[in-house]
Amino acid sequence: DAGVIQSPRHEVTEMGQEVTLRCKPISGHNSLFWYRQTMMRGLELLIYFNNNVPIDDSGMPEDRFSAKMPNASFSTLKIQPSEPRDSAVYFCASSPGSPNTEAFFGQGTRLTVV
Amino acid sequence: GEDVEQSLFLSVREGDSSVINCTYTDSSSTYLYWYKQEPGAGLQLLTYIFSNMDMKQDQRLTVLLNKKDKHLSLRIADTQTGDSAIYFCAESIYGNQFYFGTGTSLTVIP
Repeated sequence: DAGVIQSPRHEVTEMGQEVTLRCKPISGHNSLFWYRQTMMRGLELLIYFNNNVPIDDSGMPEDRFSAKMPNASFSTLKIQPSEPRDSAVYFCASSPGSPNTEAFFGQGTRLTVV
Repeated sequence: GEDVEQSLFLSVREGDSSVINCTYTDSSSTYLYWYKQEPGAGLQLLTYIFSNMDMKQDQRLTVLLNKKDKHLSLRIADTQTGDSAIYFCAESIYGNQFYFGTGTSLTVIP
C-alpha cells in the first residue's frame, strides 16, 4: 500500500481564498484524522471520522473550517475564507481502529496564506 | 480533547542517553505511543505500550509507564545524530482517537 496520500504537498494562497486539502487513507482503515501542526500550538486534532462519519469535530477552530468524508477512500478539509493565521502543516492520518492501534500519517500539506 | 504535555526542547551529546518525558490526563487510555517526526516528514510510530505494562524495551529504546502518576518516558540509549527529530507522545483508547503532545525537539550535539 502507498500509505496515506495527501495533496497538495504545498499550497500558497492569498488571504480570503478558499483552500481545499485532500487525503486518501490507507485502504481498509476505518478511522481518519485531520491534524494541524504549528510551532506555537504543536499538533492539534481538528476532526476525527469513523466509518466516514464525523465523530468529534471539537478541534475545528472556526466555522471557516469544514471537513467531509464522502466515502471510505477520500476526505477533504476546506478553509473558506483563508486567513494568514491558518498557515500551518496539515496532516491526515488513518487507522484500522481496534484492535490494531497505530495511526499512519501522510506527509502533510504545508499551507501558507499570504 | 485530552491534555498530553511534553517539554519542548532537549539537547544531548552524541553517545549519551536521552530521556523524553510526557504526562497525560486520561486514566482510561489503553495505549500510549511515541512517534518520531523528521524534518519535512509526517509522524512515524516508534513504539507503543499497552496501559497494563510498566516497561517496554526495543533495542536502544526503553519506554517506562507510571500509570499512577500518568507519566510516560522514552529513553534512547547511545543517542546518535540521526536521532535528532521531534518526538511526540500520544494516547488513545483502543486506537479510536489519538491525542498528541506538542512534541519534544531533540537535538544531538556531535
